[in-house]
Amino acid sequence: SQQGEEDPQALSIQEGENATMNCSYKTSINNLQWYRQNSGRGLVHLILIRSNEREKHSGRLRVTLDTSKKSSSLLITASRAADTASYFCATDNNAGNMLTFGGGTRLMVKP
Amino acid sequence: NAGVTQTPKFQVLKTGQSMTLQCAQDMNHEYMSWYRQDPGMGLRLIHYSVGAGITDQGEVPNGYNVSRSTTEDFPLRLLSAAPSQTSVYFCASSHGGLGELFFGEGSRLTVL
Repeated sequence: SQQGEEDPQALSIQEGENATMNCSYKTSINNLQWYRQNSGRGLVHLILIRSNEREKHSGRLRVTLDTSKKSSSLLITASRAADTASYFCATDNNAGNMLTFGGGTRLMVKP
Repeated sequence: NAGVTQTPKFQVLKTGQSMTLQCAQDMNHEYMSWYRQDPGMGLRLIHYSVGAGITDQGEVPNGYNVSRSTTEDFPLRLLSAAPSQTSVYFCASSHGGLGELFFGEGSRLTVL
């Protein structure tokens, strides 16, 4: 079974708007990661947040982590058409040797 | 650096045939893994390796074998292909502990 589950499954917004995606997971983690996948391509790493961190920024990306609720969110500010892609959260197991992905959020940014 | 290279990009097999998906990385990463991606299912871990000579099972290992004789290569073998193995397969690697994964571009397999 999947450790992480993203919400919503699909999101459609206008260019310039902010996009928020959420991820929930089931068991304790060492870190949580977010990845992006353009259609027909491999996944690209966006950001990693450790279990003792609450918020992290990278350019237009903001990730939060709430370990008490076992949830994370990815915020993309001032979205662009080029941000159209699928976004996945991934969590590791306690042993730190397996990374489990959620089902992803499909984001469409309309010009 | 080429990163993670997967071959072939596309393959069509008949039920019962065997084949090997190749994965090579030139970043000297200790950790390598294979995932399959099916529509609406996200990625599921098949097998992984934390270093040469060491492999272990992931979430969905049945029907697949792996070996890790060198740091660079991590081939995935389908022993007797089944239609349920129709999927897109991704190889990924990571330096040291399980941090950022670097992915290949994928191998699309169809089993008839």
